[in-house]
Amino acid sequence: NAGVTQTPKFQVLKTGQSMTLQCAQDMNHNSMYWYRQDPGMGLRLIYYSASEGTTDKGEVPNGYNVSRLNKREFSLRLESAAPSQTSVYFCASLLLTGTGVQPQHFGDGTRLSIL
Amino acid sequence: AQSVTQLGSHVSVSEGALVLLRCNYSSSVPPYLFWYVQYPNQGLQLLLKYTTGATLVKGINGFEAEFKKSETSFHLTKPSAHMSDAAEYFCAVSGGTSGSRLTFGEGTQLTVNP
Repeated sequence: NAGVTQTPKFQVLKTGQSMTLQCAQDMNHNSMYWYRQDPGMGLRLIYYSASEGTTDKGEVPNGYNVSRLNKREFSLRLESAAPSQTSVYFCASLLLTGTGVQPQHFGDGTRLSIL
Repeated sequence: AQSVTQLGSHVSVSEGALVLLRCNYSSSVPPYLFWYVQYPNQGLQLLLKYTTGATLVKGINGFEAEFKKSETSFHLTKPSAHMSDAAEYFCAVSGGTSGSRLTFGEGTQLTVNP
């Protein structure tokens, strides 16, 4: 059971460089999310996609873009990386059914350092 | 709008002692509440969830939580701590709005002393 797979696991960038974080889930979930985790701040939502073909901003979207490539994949792009974007990034997914709220399933994270 | 406050960023207990991690929430709609655990260098794993119905919720690894609407609380407990419980714990709330967005607390680091 792969669940939610994130690549890469670690990355070091220089200020101004761009990169894309990849996320794929194999659970046939329709909703996907990107969070960042910083010490003492919990997880904060960057962007989410409630269903294939839709994306919406979360709490901290500035400096990021997303693409819901298909039902399985949801990527996060940093166009011009800044040191303030040094963080651990988590992707999550869930099956949104319209009846009740299901828990989100998380990947193992991407640890990103920007120098 | 919704928010979560976890009281105590660090909690330390002895092995075999009671674990109590506190969570208070604010939500303008009936809340759905979750506790997640994060072990070092890993993602978040669901411990338990409250949606509707019974207010005492049992989860994995012997943890349970009680939803108290009057106190807007959802505290996590375990009667007897084990060394393997050492991890960071996150309380989260969802208002059931579009996309089931979660709002997380800041986390509580649990240390278990031998």
